[in-house]
Amino acid sequence: AQKVTQAQTEISVVEKEDVTLDCVYETRDTTYYLFWYKQPPSGELVFLIRRNSFDEQNEISGRYSWNFQKSTSSFNFTITASQVVDSAVYFCALSEPYSGNTPLVFGKGTRLSVIA
Amino acid sequence: EAQVTQNPRYLITVTGKKLTVTCSQNMNHEYMSWYRQDPGLGLRQIYYSMNVEVTDKGDVPEGYKVSRKEKRNFPLILESPSPNQTSLYFCASSSSGVEKQYFGPGTRLTVT
Repeated sequence: AQKVTQAQTEISVVEKEDVTLDCVYETRDTTYYLFWYKQPPSGELVFLIRRNSFDEQNEISGRYSWNFQKSTSSFNFTITASQVVDSAVYFCALSEPYSGNTPLVFGKGTRLSVIA
Repeated sequence: EAQVTQNPRYLITVTGKKLTVTCSQNMNHEYMSWYRQDPGLGLRQIYYSMNVEVTDKGDVPEGYKVSRKEKRNFPLILESPSPNQTSLYFCASSSSGVEKQYFGPGTRLTVT
């Protein structure tokens, strides 16, 4: 079973629209970590956020916000007032440090295109 | 400047010709890993290393080897490359497996 599901393969929005990227994860561990990474067209991978399973507080960083809900096993990412520079592939990832499995599993990514 | 370097950045090779992709980090990180990125499949972990001389398989280890003789270096070895190993490869490092990872710039490998 897929441990990290990003159901939206591609999203296209017009500049200044808000957009939410979904991430649903699967784990039996009580201790785990969730991440979001951004891959702009230039190809590098950029860390955005890390959240541990004991901290359900939502986080806001400028136009970016993250909604972590353990009840629905989701860690969604919202960009407010999107800009062309937000165009990228966004990856959600899960780390289960005590499960004995590989430490980091990525979703397949969501390609976001912001049109001017 | 904190960074992860990979070499080469681009490589075209033929089936069966052994190759090594180097990875080096200057942050004294204990944890290093290799990923491959393929269209529609996201990033999949090949191998990871928790410390010197400690390596373990990721999700897709077949056809790859790694070694961790020094803390800063984590080379990826393809003993007999095949066309299905054509991919974009990323090396990453972090202070531990649950901290944010710093990624290298990527190596685009084509095996014909």
